[in-house]
Amino acid sequence: GAGVSQTPSNKVTEKGKYVELRCDPISGHTALYWYRQSLGQGPEFLIYFQGTGAADDSGLPNDRFFAVRPEGSVSTLKIQRTERGDSAVYLCASSSRVGTGTGRNEQFFGPGTRLTVL
Amino acid sequence: KNQVEQSPQSLIILEGKNCTLQCNYTVSPFSNLRWYKQDTGRGPVSLTIMTFSENTKSNGRYTATLDADTKQSSLHITASQLSDSASYICVVSGGRSGGGADGLTFGKGTHLIIQP
Repeated sequence: GAGVSQTPSNKVTEKGKYVELRCDPISGHTALYWYRQSLGQGPEFLIYFQGTGAADDSGLPNDRFFAVRPEGSVSTLKIQRTERGDSAVYLCASSSRVGTGTGRNEQFFGPGTRLTVL
Repeated sequence: KNQVEQSPQSLIILEGKNCTLQCNYTVSPFSNLRWYKQDTGRGPVSLTIMTFSENTKSNGRYTATLDADTKQSSLHITASQLSDSASYICVVSGGRSGGGADGLTFGKGTHLIIQP
C-alpha cells in the first residue's frame, strides 16, 4: 500500500475485555514497530519486529500485552484483560531496513488506533 | 538516563509570523536527531534529520539547527500557515532507552496552534 494503515481507527471497549489492533506496514518493509501515545506525550516504544520475530519487546508494559507478525508483514497487537490505563493511541511504524543503531532508517507511521477502555 | 526535553509545551501564534521550537537532549551516544510533525489524529511525519556533523537542515519553511556540543536543537518555522498547526516532536537516536534497533528517544512534543 501507499502507507502504513491501522485498523480500527477507534476502539471502545469495557474494562476486562480483550482487544486486537491491526497494522499493515508499507509493502516490503522488514522492520515494524508498535508505540503507545498518551495525550500530550510523545510515542512510547512497545515492541519491534524484524521479519516475523520480535527483536525487542522490552517496552511491553506487562504480560497482558502481546504482538505477533506471523508472515512478516501484517502485525497484530493483542491486549488481554484491558484496564482503563490502557487507553491511548497505539501507533504502528515500519521501516525498510534493519536498524543499524544509527537511526537513519526513517520510520513511517500509521494514523494510529485510539483505544478507549471504559 | 536518556531524555529529550522540548519547550514550550504549547504555543499560539498568528498566521504569517515566525516561531522557534526548542529541544534539549541527554541521549548518549548520539547518532542523529529528527523533527517530526504530527497532525491531530495522524501519525508523526519526519521533517528533518541531522547527524552529529550537520548543524542546519531546511525543508521548505522549516529550518532545524543542531548544536551537538550543547545538545540542543531548534526548529524554526517561517511565515507560518494554518496548516502548520500540529504537534512537533523531537526524536533523538543513539541511546538504548527508547528500545528497538534504532534506540529512539522521543520528546513530548510542542503543540503549535496557528491563528488566522
